[in-house]
Amino acid sequence: EDKVVQSPLSLVVHEGDTVTLNCSYEVTNFRSLLWYKQEKKAPTFLFMLTSSGIEKKSGRLSSILDKKELFSILNITATQTGDSAVYLCAVLNQAGTALIFGKGTTLSVSS
Amino acid sequence: GAGVSQSPSNKVTEKGKDVELRCDPISGHTALYWYRQRLGQGLEFLIYFQGNSAPDKSGLPSDRFSAERTGESVSTLTIQRTQQEDSAVYLCASSLNRVETEAFFGQGTRLTVV
Repeated sequence: EDKVVQSPLSLVVHEGDTVTLNCSYEVTNFRSLLWYKQEKKAPTFLFMLTSSGIEKKSGRLSSILDKKELFSILNITATQTGDSAVYLCAVLNQAGTALIFGKGTTLSVSS
Repeated sequence: GAGVSQSPSNKVTEKGKDVELRCDPISGHTALYWYRQRLGQGLEFLIYFQGNSAPDKSGLPSDRFSAERTGESVSTLTIQRTQQEDSAVYLCASSLNRVETEAFFGQGTRLTVV
């Protein structure tokens, strides 16, 4: 059975800290891995990773994929209270018919 | 439209009633997904539409759940004879094509069955 596991499930940090969120997967016919930020209801897209070892960056956020060890990390540097959210990792199967989501990591950034 | 639009945003229904949830995808997006998110849980895949192809219904939890989409337009998710365990946020997402692009999510419909 395909599965995506995220850790930690929750994390509390202070503003300015750097955090690393983990995502491991066991998915047949892997195509790509996506990270989403979910505040309230709708997840918003952060990154899509298809190739190993190539870091994607957007401001204070960065992510990298390791297809040999079947995991990805999402780094957030100099965290701000606005980073507080649930971060979801999802894997897209080869056919592109389904995103398989992990349960998410709830990040709380205190001022 | 500018984004994926879902309606209603909230729905409270009595156990045993039927409900219909609507999703209006981004114009031009051929792929459309429905997901369910129970409280404190991850997103659970329900159904996938790609253009005029037969939908992938492998995630529908029971025959009380059905969905339709005409071409590349609006989709409706219908839940018949609702049960309390159907209470969840139902999220719709669309993407430009079936692979290599990110899916954009609507704001969801929060369904409460009482």
